Amino acid sequence: AQSVTQLDSQVPVFEEAPVELRCNYSSSVSVYLFWYVQYPNQGLQLLLKYLSGSTLVESINGFEAEFNKSQTSFHLRKPSVHISDTAEYFCAVSPWGTSYGKLTFGQGTILTVHP
Amino acid sequence: EPEVTQTPSHQVTQMGQEVILRCVPISNHLYFYWYRQILGQKVEFLVSFYNNEISEKSEIFDDQFSVERPDGSNFTLKIRSTKLEDSAMYFCASSETGGLTTNYGYTFGSGTRLTVV
Repeated sequence: AQSVTQLDSQVPVFEEAPVELRCNYSSSVSVYLFWYVQYPNQGLQLLLKYLSGSTLVESINGFEAEFNKSQTSFHLRKPSVHISDTAEYFCAVSPWGTSYGKLTFGQGTILTVHP
Repeated sequence: EPEVTQTPSHQVTQMGQEVILRCVPISNHLYFYWYRQILGQKVEFLVSFYNNEISEKSEIFDDQFSVERPDGSNFTLKIRSTKLEDSAMYFCASSETGGLTTNYGYTFGSGTRLTVV
């Protein structure tokens, strides 16, 4: 079984400041890792994912996340946030070796960017 | 960009009534899923569906729940006798493949908010 812990339920920051949203997971098998974003009144959108290869993955809108196997972490970072980044962010994992891709989510982190 | 479409966006139903939530997955996707998010809680896996049968389900997905792909395009979630605690946002998702591929990833719909009164 897998579990995901997002260490901060809410993160307020000012515009253009850097941000880090923390995610730790636990699993008895290797996992794929994901970050999803949910804007108000919208569904979950894939932000970025780690499947294999380079442990640093990037999204098209400036977010990046680094897979750290020894610390079982997949923290999300952005060097300079915009007002439009205000949303809820979910970390999720899915175990290798299964054909049906069940996702286990963290409880979410609400990122609020203030002007 | 292809989308997963869910209807209705919001449904209110009386306790004990049957409700059907509808989803149209992306056309070339083969794996289908339902998740739910009770207000203030985690997004939780309900069920996965492949090759016209359930491939995995959670303990939440009891006999009151069922899924169906009736016509090759729609994917439905039925709750036979709704309870107050079924009130949640229900998300449908589809995936091209659930296996080991660099394209692996879900596309979620925007959700149906179910309110049981």
